[in-house]
Amino acid sequence: AQSVSQHNHHVILSEAASLELGCNYSYGGTVNLFWYVQYPGQHLQLLLKYFSGDPLVKGIKGFEAEFIKSKFSFNLRKPSVQWSDTAEYFCAVRNSGNTPLVFGKGTRLSVIA
Amino acid sequence: GAVVSQHPSWVICKSGTSVKIECRSLDFQATTMFWYRQFPKQSLMLMATSNEGSKATYEQGVEKDKFLINHASLTLSTLTVTSAHPEDSSFYICSAPATGGGTEAFFGQGTRLTVV
Repeated sequence: AQSVSQHNHHVILSEAASLELGCNYSYGGTVNLFWYVQYPGQHLQLLLKYFSGDPLVKGIKGFEAEFIKSKFSFNLRKPSVQWSDTAEYFCAVRNSGNTPLVFGKGTRLSVIA
Repeated sequence: GAVVSQHPSWVICKSGTSVKIECRSLDFQATTMFWYRQFPKQSLMLMATSNEGSKATYEQGVEKDKFLINHASLTLSTLTVTSAHPEDSSFYICSAPATGGGTEAFFGQGTRLTVV
């Protein structure tokens, strides 16, 4: 069965600091990879996704992620965080379009002024 | 974009009562709906998969008689937590995959259930 590991439970950064959130998955076949953000009391929102092609994926709000197949990783990055980036971030993987996503445990990001 | 509307967003109920959670696909037909549960500080875990017009498929360890899923139409799937107990308190989220072979997934806003 697939599994997704997010190594950081809670990350605290100052505004303008750079961010990298780790995500590793266990499935060895073709995968679709996602990063979602969940602001307090709101829907899960898709930040970015990878299906194929360029392993460096750019998403909304200045986020990007790099798929490294050899490391089974899909780390999320942002060069300069803002206070408004405070939220919970979830990495997810699935192996086809009609199968459910498998989520990591999430990483809470707190950005302080 | 496609929207999945989930209601209620939060509910408090007494132990032993039942609670129904609805998920509606607003501008597309959801032949499949995934139901997830998220306990505090844990990941979203798949509970069951519902398909329109057929019985739901439950993940191991999820009681099908306790978590009743109905997917009677292409735009509505419901999850009923029967005889709720405090340990059922959790965050429940539905999700529908995109139709037409797309790889997107659309989520409801989630339901925070507290059983007292």
